[in-house]
Amino acid sequence: AQSVTQLGSHVSVSEGALVLLRCNYSSSVPPYLFWYVQYPNQGLQLLLKYTSAATLVKGINGFEAEFKKSETSFHLTKPSAHMSDAAEYFCAVSEGSGGGADGLTFGKGTHLIIQP
Amino acid sequence: KAGVTQTPRYLIKTRGQQVTLSCSPISGHRSVSWYQQTPGQGLQFLFEYFSETQRNKGNFPGRFSGRQFSNSRSEMNVSTLELGDSALYLCASSLEGRGRFSTEAFFGQGTRLTVV
Repeated sequence: AQSVTQLGSHVSVSEGALVLLRCNYSSSVPPYLFWYVQYPNQGLQLLLKYTSAATLVKGINGFEAEFKKSETSFHLTKPSAHMSDAAEYFCAVSEGSGGGADGLTFGKGTHLIIQP
Repeated sequence: KAGVTQTPRYLIKTRGQQVTLSCSPISGHRSVSWYQQTPGQGLQFLFEYFSETQRNKGNFPGRFSGRQFSNSRSEMNVSTLELGDSALYLCASSLEGRGRFSTEAFFGQGTRLTVV
């Protein structure tokens, strides 16, 4: 069975500082991993996805994530936070899909707060 | 290109009633998945439809059901509503939903269901 753990339900950083959102996964097969962002009263938007092509994945809005099999991690980073990055971020894993939404298992989410 | 459209956006129902939510996927997308989002349980997979067939199902009681029409539009139904069914219900569509090279899942804005 697959599972996702996001460390920290809330993360606060200053504008311009490094953003680091942590995600650890558990999967019985090589996983597909995703990061989604959700703004208030909105659906989910895909930031980036790992499908075993490259361990360092670049996404939209300056975000990137590195797949580390030995640590079963897929942490999300952004070098310099912007006020518009304030949102809820979800890490997700799928064992049966390369990108579609069937059977995604999500983490509990991390609320990113940007301090001016 | 229109995105995933969910209707209605907000809904208030009474315990014991039933409700039907609608999802229109992006044109050309054949896979539609449904998720329930609550503060306590987070995002949980309900089911996925592909070409009018339920292809995958999450761990929800039989009160939750769905269907997909020939034009890929999908509906989900919840019967005998309980207070705990209050949630944001998200629909996602993708071209195929399966396989290594399957495409990104696009989420709708959701339907906020409140059961009183």
